[in-house]
Amino acid sequence: DTEVTQTPKHLVMGMTNKKSLKCEQHMGHRAMYWYKQKAKKPPELMFVYSYEKLSINESVPSRFSPECPNSSLLNLHLHALQPEDSALYLCASSQAYNPYNEQFFGPGTRLTVL
Amino acid sequence: EDKVVQSPLSLVVHEGDTVTLNCSYEVTNFRSLLWYKQEKKAPTFLFMLTSSGIEKKSGRLSSILDKKELFSILNITATQTGDSAVYLCAVGNTGNQFYFGTGTSLTVIP
Repeated sequence: DTEVTQTPKHLVMGMTNKKSLKCEQHMGHRAMYWYKQKAKKPPELMFVYSYEKLSINESVPSRFSPECPNSSLLNLHLHALQPEDSALYLCASSQAYNPYNEQFFGPGTRLTVL
Repeated sequence: EDKVVQSPLSLVVHEGDTVTLNCSYEVTNFRSLLWYKQEKKAPTFLFMLTSSGIEKKSGRLSSILDKKELFSILNITATQTGDSAVYLCAVGNTGNQFYFGTGTSLTVIP
């Protein structure tokens, strides 16, 4: 199994809702990432988990809360989002957290905040 | 400030043409440069380059890195409509950070 899966594919939520994005990989990778990508822009790194520990939090607003329940799963909990948070949220994984391992990306969740 | 710049921003070619995409970078403590292809959604990995002057090749695609002049090029020969995509360049450093360029949007017309 060489893929990263993400659910849901699409999500529409109001500013008062609480929702979660899920990501899963079964490649035995020990690093997992959340990226945010706006239209016609490159992916922006939000969070990195290495061996299930949060390694980077790129000053992301607290309305985004990551969770790594085990080495195969990564969640992103969303609460009180703003319309400008609408974007494609990509999950990725790599063998290890270093610059010599390519990242495998999931298909993304297209999030719309009303 | 660390940055990765890709050029051109967009490109339209006819099938069969050869294209060259550029990625220049200013990243402290460089370790690797990666190329990805992004079609509808997920970027897919193409190449990783860590050493200057060594060409990586996969079918009609090839890439090379120049660590002295701080750039990489991605060549696609005999382009096909399936090559239409955004091509992203990312640079990794010793701090395990990855800096993405804004991408080059390639459209191949039949």
